[in-house]
Amino acid sequence: AQTVTQSQPEMSVQEAETVTLSCTYDTSESDYYLFWYKQPPSRQMILVIRQEAYKQQNATENRFSVNFQKAAKSFSLKISDSQLGDAAMYFCAQRSVSGTYKYIFGTGTRLKVLA
Amino acid sequence: EAGVTQFPSHSVIEKGQTVTLRCDPISGHDNLYWYRRVMGKEIKFLLHFVKESKQDESGMPNNRFLAERTGGTYSTLKVQPAELEDSGVYFCASSQRSLQGAATEAFFGQGTRLTVV
Repeated sequence: AQTVTQSQPEMSVQEAETVTLSCTYDTSESDYYLFWYKQPPSRQMILVIRQEAYKQQNATENRFSVNFQKAAKSFSLKISDSQLGDAAMYFCAQRSVSGTYKYIFGTGTRLKVLA
Repeated sequence: EAGVTQFPSHSVIEKGQTVTLRCDPISGHDNLYWYRRVMGKEIKFLLHFVKESKQDESGMPNNRFLAERTGGTYSTLKVQPAELEDSGVYFCASSQRSLQGAATEAFFGQGTRLTVV
């Protein structure tokens, strides 16, 4: 069975500093997608970054980057130069490349950004 | 372009009552998904529509939950009768189908927070 684990229920970071959110997963598939989604309070969940499992290069999107370790089944998110607007609930998710394309989510990490 | 919209944003109902949640996907998106997050838990898949057809409803908790997508546009999720354990945030998502038939990135709504008292 596919599972996604986020072991940090809550994290805090000082504005302008760097923070890393952890995510591990389990799957028997060889190809899949991994995602980080961000949900600000009472707002839509938006995609932060996506990684395709067959690509060895870590994905980056501006201040957001991932450390993808396929053998270890680890997919952490690094946020550099944290901003107040980064405060949100962050969900790690996995999705198959075929089938129903349903997402398997973790329990989420609430990120607080301190001014 | 409008995103995925969900109505209502919040709903408080008594145990035994009926509630209907609505999701309007992004126009042209064939794939529509319902998910639920119970407080403190992971977001769990409920079901997947491709147009008006249910592709996968393996995550539906029981027969008190009924999802429909008539005409392949908006979808409703009805809970009847509601129980206390149905409380949570219900998310809807939609995605396109690529030329090869695969699903592209899913876009999520803001969720409906359901509280059953």
